[in-house]
Amino acid sequence: GAVVSQHPSRVICKSGTSVKIECRSLDFQATTMFWYRQFPKQSLMLMATSNEGSKATYEQGVEKDKFLINHASLTLSTLTVTSAHPEDSSFYICSASSTAYGYTFGSGTRLTVV
Amino acid sequence: DQQVKQNSPSLSVQEGRISILNCDYTNSMFDYFLWYKKYPAEGPTFLISISSIKDKNEDGRFTVFLNKSAKHLSLHIVPSQPGDSAVYFCAASGLGTSYDKVIFGPGTSLSVIP
Repeated sequence: GAVVSQHPSRVICKSGTSVKIECRSLDFQATTMFWYRQFPKQSLMLMATSNEGSKATYEQGVEKDKFLINHASLTLSTLTVTSAHPEDSSFYICSASSTAYGYTFGSGTRLTVV
Repeated sequence: DQQVKQNSPSLSVQEGRISILNCDYTNSMFDYFLWYKKYPAEGPTFLISISSIKDKNEDGRFTVFLNKSAKHLSLHIVPSQPGDSAVYFCAASGLGTSYDKVIFGPGTSLSVIP
């Protein structure tokens, strides 16, 4: 079946630094990729939707300058958390969609900003 | 405003019995519904889905029922097993295509007691 590889699985960074999270579809081409974040004991919240070669569409309340999304190819999307602060600590998950496999999720990245 | 609701934050069921997880949605444009299972610190795992043209879809121990008029769906797990203990997210998508962004409910934590 379809596999989405997301890494790193865990990252700890200092406040003010930037962190990049990668999301790759390993054996299929994803027409669209989605980025979610999950706060403890809360649901997955959609942050943004990205299509290859075009600008990401951000959900209301998500700062596009803070959460930079690059979707350079049909198999790779990256999320960069810029100038991270402790309140950005969360669990980030990507999802790739394709006509063949529907939605496939990555395993998530636990970001801790200290 | 929450478009996908799971009003029971938790559910406990005895092993071997049926687990019924409920989900309600408000947006009549949703036409594709999904259930995901999630363990802590991992990405969601797809379980089963249903299109709005159906009212039931079955896959092994998992059955999803959809009542469009009531904007309600439910996931039945029978027989329940201890390994089913996890958080279950109901999700909806649509707005004209089955591959639009996915909106998640808040989740229901299922505990299957041996």
